[in-house]
Amino acid sequence: GENVEQHPSTLSVQEGDSAVIKCTYSDSASNYFPWYKQELGKGPQLIIDIRSNVGEKKDQRIAVTLNKTAKHFSLHITETQPEDSAVYFCAASYNTDKLIFGTGTRLQVFP
Amino acid sequence: KAGVTQTPRYLIKTRGQQVTLSCSPISGHRSVSWYQQTPGQGLQFLFEYFSETQRNKGNFPGRFSGRQFSNSRSEMNVSTLELGDSALYLCASSLLGQGTDTQYFGPGTRLTVL
Repeated sequence: GENVEQHPSTLSVQEGDSAVIKCTYSDSASNYFPWYKQELGKGPQLIIDIRSNVGEKKDQRIAVTLNKTAKHFSLHITETQPEDSAVYFCAASYNTDKLIFGTGTRLQVFP
Repeated sequence: KAGVTQTPRYLIKTRGQQVTLSCSPISGHRSVSWYQQTPGQGLQFLFEYFSETQRNKGNFPGRFSGRQFSNSRSEMNVSTLELGDSALYLCASSLLGQGTDTQYFGPGTRLTVL
């Protein structure tokens, strides 16, 4: 069945360093790949997304890359700040709002 | 523009009872999806509604059901509650669904089954 694997499950970085989270999806038909950030007591918030006709997308300190051949996509956060600390989820879908989520990465940014 | 709202925010029930959760989408959004979030299973898709019709369904037993009203507001119902139904239930809305636009999530309803 459809599956999205996400690594690592936890990530600790020093403020100012970069953080990279990687996901692999199983359904080759998937064409939409959003990333969500979830803070304690809140619902997931979209931070960036990419569609399958694009290989890379950047928004200030956040970037996402997609390798359709390998069925991999990654989130890159540069110049991390303490407020980036949260749980990050990748997801994949194909022409529906049914998102298949990864298992999440807990990012801790230490001052 | 107001975000997705969910009521109630917290709920405590006992095994065997039933529960109804409510979701109000962002104004103008016609697609509403529901997800269950647990520490063990993560975020799992329950179902999606568009124009009062269920358009997509996840792998959950028939005890989980939902509906959507003409104003796009949605409710989900869980009957004969089990301990394993304890979870954060999240609602998300999008303009038209079908993966064409962003899904915005509400804060969730925390359900505890005793």
